[in-house]
Amino acid sequence: NAGVMQNPRHLVRRRGQEARLRCSPMKGHSHVYWYRQLPEEGLKFMVYLQKENIIDESGMPKERFSAEFPKEGPSILRIQQVVRGDSAAYFCASSPGGPGLPQHFGDGTRLSIL
Amino acid sequence: KQEVTQIPAALSVPEGENLVLNCSFTDSAIYNLQWFRQDPGKGLTSLLLIQSSQREQTSGRLNASLDKSSGRSTLYIAASQPGDSATYLCAAGEAAGNKLTFGGGTRVLVKP
Repeated sequence: NAGVMQNPRHLVRRRGQEARLRCSPMKGHSHVYWYRQLPEEGLKFMVYLQKENIIDESGMPKERFSAEFPKEGPSILRIQQVVRGDSAAYFCASSPGGPGLPQHFGDGTRLSIL
Repeated sequence: KQEVTQIPAALSVPEGENLVLNCSFTDSAIYNLQWFRQDPGKGLTSLLLIQSSQREQTSGRLNASLDKSSGRSTLYIAASQPGDSATYLCAAGEAAGNKLTFGGGTRVLVKP
C-alpha cells in the first residue's frame, strides 16, 4: 500500500536549466496538489489537478512554472529556466476526492539551484 | 484571503508534560482543519482531520478541537514523549477544491 511517491528526492540544477519533479499519487487517488516550502517559510499552495485537468493554479508563479497530470503516469511539476529563488522543497499531496477528505503527502523533492 | 497563524513558534517541555498547540485562522468559512507532523527533511504525516461540522477529533494521545466562530483550533498531546519532537503544522481547507492554507508551524522539543 504505497504512499505518495515523489522523485527525485533531491535535484540539483544550474541557473537557466529545467527542473522536472514527479509525483505518483496513492493508489485510487485522482486529485493531486503541489505545495512549495521555501527556506524558513511555511508551505504554500501552488496548484490543484485532477486527471488531465488543472482545477486551480492560483498559487503558481505566472512564468516558468507549469504542471500536468496526464491520463497515464505521474503528475509533473516543470520549472523552466530555474533561478536561485526556486530553491525549495516541493511537496505533492493526493486525495481520493475533493473537499472533506484528507490529503496525504509525499516526502518532497528538495531542489537546489547552483 | 485566508491566513493561518500558529503560536508559539517553538516549544520545549520535559517528558511527560502535556502539550498544547494553538492554531488560528482569519476566515471561518473553512471546510476542514487538518493537523500534520513534519520531521526534519521529511514530508508531512497527517495526524487529525476535523470537518467544519465537528468540534473535535481524537486519536490515541492526540486530541484536536475546532471552534469555527472564534477561528481557532487546538492540538493537545497527552503525556509527551521524546519521539513527539517534531514540527506540527495546522492547515485550513477551503470549500472549493480543498486547497490547504498552512500555518508557520510549532517546533516542539520534548526533553527526556
